[in-house]
Amino acid sequence: DTGVSQDPRHKITKRGQNVTFRCDPISEHNRLYWYRQTLGQGPEFLTYFQNEAQLEKSRLLSDRFSAERPKGSFSTLEIQRTEQGDSAMYLCASSSVRYEQYFGPGTRLTVT
Amino acid sequence: AQTVTQSQPEMSVQEAETVTLSCTYDTSESNYYLFWYKQPPSRQMILVIRQEAYKQQNATENRFSVNFQKAAKSFSLKISDSQLGDTAMYFCAFMNGNAGKSTFGDGTTLTVKP
Repeated sequence: DTGVSQDPRHKITKRGQNVTFRCDPISEHNRLYWYRQTLGQGPEFLTYFQNEAQLEKSRLLSDRFSAERPKGSFSTLEIQRTEQGDSAMYLCASSSVRYEQYFGPGTRLTVT
Repeated sequence: AQTVTQSQPEMSVQEAETVTLSCTYDTSESNYYLFWYKQPPSRQMILVIRQEAYKQQNATENRFSVNFQKAAKSFSLKISDSQLGDTAMYFCAFMNGNAGKSTFGDGTTLTVKP
């Protein structure tokens, strides 16, 4: 069991560029979650997958955000036309039938 | 929509003492799960303890226990025999019954002093 991994760990991009993050969940976990966390705040729910199906998406997400989980394994989160307000830590978590979430180390995004 | 409130932004405790972190939540659902997560300074979130809403018995995990008051919508975390390694930010989290969206509080920064 290698835990949840995320890549890259850090990303610096210029405003207007597109970025894509990857999350590899614990292999036997069928649920996968994406969160955004800013300094001093709790994680903010973005979206959730059960296997390959995206079952819930936060209304806070604009059309610039999209997530996929092909074949129910790894997931990608893409942000198009990045804005300075997108600067945050992006967390991925996975869970099994017990529902407790195992978090990855996060991807820190800085938009300049 | 669910809300989770942690009213103590910062707390400190002496090593070996006991501390209680508060959490209240608001929901109209009857089936849900509650969690406490710990985020040490390295920032990777770790599960501390979980509680199913349908269970009346309070969950315990070694030095960690909860006081779950369903009617009052309160879910506090008690840490006994505090250790220096308990220094972290603690988040209370609500998950709805279909294990989908989770709502987190804004956290309590706990410092354990030697």
